[in-house]
Parts: sequence; structure tokens; C-alpha cells
Amino acid sequence: QVQLQQSGPGLVRPSQTLSLTCAISGDSVSSNIAAWNWIRQSPSRGLEWLGRTYYSSKWYNDYVVSVKGRISIKPDTSKNQFSLQLNSVTPEDTAVYYCARLFVGRLDYWGQGTLVTVSS
Amino acid sequence: NFMLTQPLSVSESPGKTVTISCTRSSGSIATNYVQWYQQRPGSAPTTVIYEDNQKPSGVPDRFSGSIDSSSNSASLTISGLKTEDEADYYCQSFDSNNLVFGGGTKLTVL
Repeated sequence: QVQLQQSGPGLVRPSQTLSLTCAISGDSVSSNIAAWNWIRQSPSRGLEWLGRTYYSSKWYNDYVVSVKGRISIKPDTSKNQFSLQLNSVTPEDTAVYYCARLFVGRLDYWGQGTLVTVSS
Repeated sequence: NFMLTQPLSVSESPGKTVTISCTRSSGSIATNYVQWYQQRPGSAPTTVIYEDNQKPSGVPDRFSGSIDSSSNSASLTISGLKTEDEADYYCQSFDSNNLVFGGGTKLTVL
């Protein structure tokens, strides 16, 4: 059974960096048949996919255009986890953030969600 | 780039059948698989349909998915509605290497 456990602060100041971590159990971040994703959800934006990291002979990343340039998703093989960093946040980045595994074309396991509020 | 458009809400009575649509704005709906997720309040989404019409183990046979090229849309059909089916439902597909979600449909079973 795969489990994803999220951690990170729930409050971030405007212009600062949002940082979250997703610890994986029951699978490997280096799996070559899965991809590790970050998704956020807010009343104004609904569900929004932010990006993913995956391994296929080397590491790859894909990011949604709307946050490209501000986002970084990185694997940590030593701790079997992956992280999200979103720079220069504004109140528009306030949302519930989820990590999720993409496997056989679907997001089959999700983290518990983290409400991140951007406010001074 | 394309968008997936869903109705904001649908409602139906217990025991009846409801269909939720998901219309792709450009490009063929058949080009990329469509998934459907159910989300109850306070919980993360869970998959009810993947690859257009496949069901993960544990999802009741009352749930089915299909695509219709003539309307360029995917549909989630739930038959024999139960009060426990009341939730938000989201469709999702792929745009090149990106994932795209529909805006979500609130299903009320009354």
C-alpha cells in the first residue's frame, strides 16, 4: 500500500517561498513507472496541476505554464521523498496543496493535503 | 492547450441515473485518455474511472465512463444513485506532458 505524507508550513508571507515535502512509503521516488506530482486546489482555481518529477534513465520535470519560472519539484532519493518550492508567492497562491502519484495514467494515491495561506 | 468544461452542478434522486459531461475545447477527446475523480468534503480526490472507461478495483459497477467523438466529450454515468455518491466529480486528461482538470461538478443526491 502506497502512502504519501505531506509536511510543511501552513502560512507563508507574500514574496517568500512556499516549501512542501511529500514522503513516500510503499513505492520509490526512483520508480521508472510512476511520476510524482503536485496539485493545488482553491475555490477560484479548482484543481490545478502544478508539475511533476519522474525518473526514466534520468530525471525529468514538467511544469504548468502558469507557474513556470517560479516552481521547482525535486526528488530526494536518500529520503524517498520529493519536494515543491514555489517562489515569490502572492495571496493568489493560497490553496490546499496535494502531492500525488501518477501511475498507469491516473493519480492513484494522494497525500492528505496541506492548506497553505499566503498572508502577511 | 485545451480546457475541459463540466456543468457546475447536477442533482438527481436516489435510485436514478445521472450523467456528468466533460467537454474538450479543442483537439479530439479521443486523443488522450480521460480520468474521473470523486472528492468528498475534506478529503483528497479518488479515482472512479481511468483510461476513459476503466474502473479501479473497489469502484462499484454503478459507475461507468465513456467518450463521444461527435460531441467531443467524456461522460461519467452513475446508476442506482445512493446518497453516498453525493460529492464533487472532476474529469482530467493530458495535454502533451501536462495534466488538465475540468472545473468540477457538484452532484447532489436528494
